[in-house]
Amino acid sequence: SAVISQKPSRDICQRGTSLTIQCQVDSQVTMMFWYRQQPGQSLTLIATANQGSEATYESGFVIDKFPISRPNLTFSTLTVSNMSPEDSSIYLCSVEDSGAGNTIYFGEGSWLTVV
Amino acid sequence: GNSVTQMEGPVTLSEEAFLTINCTYTATGYPSLFWYVQYPGEGLQLLLKATKADDKGSNKGFEATYRKETTSFHLEKGSVQVSDSAVYFCALSEGYKLSFGAGTTVTVRA
Repeated sequence: SAVISQKPSRDICQRGTSLTIQCQVDSQVTMMFWYRQQPGQSLTLIATANQGSEATYESGFVIDKFPISRPNLTFSTLTVSNMSPEDSSIYLCSVEDSGAGNTIYFGEGSWLTVV
Repeated sequence: GNSVTQMEGPVTLSEEAFLTINCTYTATGYPSLFWYVQYPGEGLQLLLKATKADDKGSNKGFEATYRKETTSFHLEKGSVQVSDSAVYFCALSEGYKLSFGAGTTVTVRA
């Protein structure tokens, strides 16, 4: 299965600042995604990171708040902009591994706390 | 649209007890079904999956069978260990999008 690395793993952020999370995969993948897991909640898909074009956002998520980059087939970033305490969550990068029956795997997550 | 309903927790068990977590789904087509596990302080790991009706996924002593007639994918383990304490998520995918259940917190006591 694909190995997914995320940075930072944890951070404490000041209200009003922005933070960029990086996701690196050890193999080329077509599909990369970003999910959010709010405290005690399930996972919600934020967007699909498209290589070479703008990300596709799910309902309730917008590019100004969560800009995403996907410069190549192994890397993506998610920025959480103008953070508020409500943005305190785990942000998870995931990929679809076509070599594993199109199974979706997740990184370890980036645990953000906004104070 | 697609949705997943799983048994609410928390669930507390003694070591070596039998564990069942119920999961039912609603889907418009023929989804793949998954169980993911999140250990304390960690990210999400794939536990097992099934891609078509009557498939049985298994891993680490856990099993789940894709039941199309009852639209269910219940997770079972015959004898749990303290190390199985985690949050378990049932999920389905049609295409690349995953829809998750709410998660069930399982605590196993020694």
